[in-house]
Amino acid sequence: GIQVEQSPPDLILQEGANSTLRCNFSDSVNNLQWFHQNPWGQLINLFYIPSGTKQNGRLSATTVATERYSLLYISSSQTTDSGVYFCAVEWTSGTYKYIFGTGTRLKVLA
Amino acid sequence: DAGITQSPRHKVTETGTPVTLRCHQTENHRYMYWYRQDPGHGLRLIHYSYGVKDTDKGEVSDGYSVSRSKTEDFLLTLESATSSQTSVYFCAISGTADNSPLHFGNGTRLTVT
Repeated sequence: GIQVEQSPPDLILQEGANSTLRCNFSDSVNNLQWFHQNPWGQLINLFYIPSGTKQNGRLSATTVATERYSLLYISSSQTTDSGVYFCAVEWTSGTYKYIFGTGTRLKVLA
Repeated sequence: DAGITQSPRHKVTETGTPVTLRCHQTENHRYMYWYRQDPGHGLRLIHYSYGVKDTDKGEVSDGYSVSRSKTEDFLLTLESATSSQTSVYFCAISGTADNSPLHFGNGTRLTVT
C-alpha cells in the first residue's frame, strides 16, 4: 500500500517564526488532507488539497502531485499552533480510504 | 463542528472481555471510519464503511469487527480485548462530494488491564 512520510518529526520554534512541514507519499494520490491535533487531542481539518496551493490566514499548503509531496507553511507562529500536524492521503483512488503519516510535533515557545 | 459523538469517552476493561465503541453522526455522511492512535504510530485505520452494511478492512483490522445498520451509527467491537488494544480510538466521517474533508470525533480512551 501507499507509504506516507512526514518531516521533521519534531520542531521547536520561537513565537513569530515561520516553518515548513513536509509530507511525502509513495504513489500518486487523488486526495490529500492536512490536520492539526491540538494539545487536548482534538483533530481539526486544515486543508483538503490534492493539488495546487491554498491559504487560510497564517497557514498555507501546496501539493505537487506529480512529485508526490505536500508542504504546510505556518507563518508568524503562535503558541496556539502547538500540537501535532498530520497529512492523510487516500489509500486507493476512489475508495475515500485515508492513510495518515506519523505526524510532525510542533512546539511554539512564547 | 461536525455532529459526531463517540461513546463512551473513557473505558477501562479487563483482558478477554468484549467491548463495543459507538460512533453517532448527525451529518448524514456516507463514509465513516475507525482509527486508533498510539505513540509513534500516528493514526491507523482499523475499518471503514462506505454505506449501510458496507464495510472494509483497514491497516490494523485483526481483533476488531464493525457494524453499520443505520447511516448514523458505526460500531466498533473488540471481540476479546487484549492489552495491545489499549489506545485512543477516533471515529471520522466524510461526505462524497469533491472537496469533502474528514471530520473527527473527540475520541475514546480505552484501557485494557
